[in-house]
Amino acid sequence: QSVLTQAPSASGTPGQTVTISCSGSTSNIGGNSVTWYQQFPRTAPKLLIYRNDQRPSGVPDRFSGSKSGTFAALAISGLQSEDEGDYYCVTWDDSLSGAVFGGGTKLTVL
Amino acid sequence: QVQLVQSGAEVKKPGASVKVSCKASGYTFTHFYVHWVRQAPGHGPQWMGRINPNTGDTHYARNFQGRVTMTRDTSISTAYMELSGLTSDDTAVYYCAKPTYYDLLTGYEYWGQGTLLTVSS
Repeated sequence: QSVLTQAPSASGTPGQTVTISCSGSTSNIGGNSVTWYQQFPRTAPKLLIYRNDQRPSGVPDRFSGSKSGTFAALAISGLQSEDEGDYYCVTWDDSLSGAVFGGGTKLTVL
Repeated sequence: QVQLVQSGAEVKKPGASVKVSCKASGYTFTHFYVHWVRQAPGHGPQWMGRINPNTGDTHYARNFQGRVTMTRDTSISTAYMELSGLTSDDTAVYYCAKPTYYDLLTGYEYWGQGTLLTVSS
């Protein structure tokens, strides 16, 4: 059971906008910034968003992050087939004194 | 360019220990934490802890306290993660990761290639 809750799956068609959510509590998302990762099979996760809404260089602006209270969201606009993969949210949990990952959302591009 | 190169796959018996290495290059090793994250088959990533290569200070996830030891050798820019008391639940890919300057705790910008640990009798 993950501390951060994500829907196990999401889907969309090419060109659409898909939003992946991440729900936490006051001890984690409520008081700390959220990070998002993209992962493809048999590869290491790739940093997509840090500090809630910041993109590392090289990440397309189709990917955007937001946070409100104890919820965070990753939006992917102009969905492309290559976006199909797993997406994880991460944040620091003050009660656990450690980083915690969401269970992940598997994105399918129909 | 930044690179993290990990040691090769391991097969261990239950109760044994494993030590994984992570050699860093392309940046000043002592300037950034090295985090360790593992991922069991079919599961999401799990943070294990981090080491400050400059001081050797460590911070372990509660799930691993007492079983994990993170060390470093600054002379060869290498971090190590040793896990003891292995069970089949420890079968996973183990990654080391370097954070971005802007998010030292959860923004893992560079990752090693991963080390597959299989625990089996």
